[in-house]
Parts: sequence; C-alpha cells; structure tokens
Amino acid sequence: DAKTTQPTSMDCAEGRAANLPCNHSTISGNEYVYWYRQIHSQGPQYIIHGLKNNETNEMASLIITEDRKSSTLILPHATLRDTAVYYCIVRPIRGSARQLTFGSGTQLTVLP
Amino acid sequence: DSGVTQTPKHLITATGQRVTLRCSPRSGDLSVYWYQQSLDQGLQFLIQYYNGEERAKGNILERFSAQQFPDLHSELNLSSLELGDSALYFCASSRSGGAGTEAFFGQGTRLTVV
Repeated sequence: DAKTTQPTSMDCAEGRAANLPCNHSTISGNEYVYWYRQIHSQGPQYIIHGLKNNETNEMASLIITEDRKSSTLILPHATLRDTAVYYCIVRPIRGSARQLTFGSGTQLTVLP
Repeated sequence: DSGVTQTPKHLITATGQRVTLRCSPRSGDLSVYWYQQSLDQGLQFLIQYYNGEERAKGNILERFSAQQFPDLHSELNLSSLELGDSALYFCASSRSGGAGTEAFFGQGTRLTVV
C-alpha cells in the first residue's frame, strides 16, 4: 500500500475553511484516496473518498492533484465540532488487502 | 449514528480471562472489519470477514480469533488476556469487500484488563 504523509497538527479559526494536506507520492493508479476523522475516542467517521476527480459532499471537498501525488481535504466552514484527528488513507481497488490502513493523522484544532 | 452496533461498550476483566466482543453491521453490509486502538499504537487492522469468510488478516495475535455468522454479525474473541490488550476495539462494516465503498465504524468497545 502507498504510504501517506500528513502534518501532525493544524489549527483553524472557527468559521474559516480548514485545508488539510496529504502527500501520497507513491500512490498507484488503482488506489483510492480516503479521508476519515476521529473525534476523541469515538469510532472513525467516513468523510469522503476519490480516485482522480475532485469530489464534494455535504461534509467536505476533496481536491486531488493531477498527478495524484497529493490531495487536500477542505472543510469549508470549520466549527468547534470539527476538532478531531483527520486521517488520509490510500486504499487499493483490488486485491485482498483492501482494509483501511490508518497512519498518525493530523490533529485539527478549531479555535473559537 | 453509523448503523454499526458494538456490544458491550465497556468491559473490565482480569488477566488470563477470555472475552467476546460483538458487532452488528449495517443492514445489507456483507463485510466486517476489526480494529484495535491502544494509546501507543494507533488504529491497527486486525481482521476482515466478507459474507462469512475470512478475507484479510492484519496484526492479529494468535490469542485472538474472530468469526462472522450467517446473519452477518461478527464476534471477536480475545483469550489469555494480558494488560497490554487493554484498548479500544472497533468494528466497521461496508457493503462489499471492495475499496470503492466506504466503511462505517461502530462506537467501539473499551476493554480494560486489570
């Protein structure tokens, strides 16, 4: 599986956009980019995933670079409840090892 | 609410004992994953089942075992428990075993071994 690199921590002001970067320079063409978050000791929560194109849902937007070597998760209007650890995960489309492999993630703190 | 139900929420037991953690996946989901999260290890994948069959195995100890039943619920059995087994155990489910479908996590079982 491709590895991902994320900053250890980030701060964001409430109401502003939170942009969380992720590098996955060894990603292959048959791997998705997934984002999950975990709010203190709760179960990880699915946010969004994509393969090549940018994606948007009610929670966030995912911007994947054209070479697919990096991506950015955007929370358009961060609230205090968005404070969590955010995980960027690369997941194979096929093969037996399709489980989610979590790294250390980014601790996002939304400040009032 | 993710739709994935884990029981019990909390469990305290002594070293050497055996416990069973239960997971009910979302309706219609065929795939179940188990994860362990301890303070110093992060979220570690243990094992995956798809429609009753083992699909993938991660860093699961030999003292641990799991199964998925015909009604698709799953159980994780932990035996000869050690202090280091104290952790949060999460179950996740997805529609299929493929990577294009998102997995949804339960709220976990907090196991404390004393």
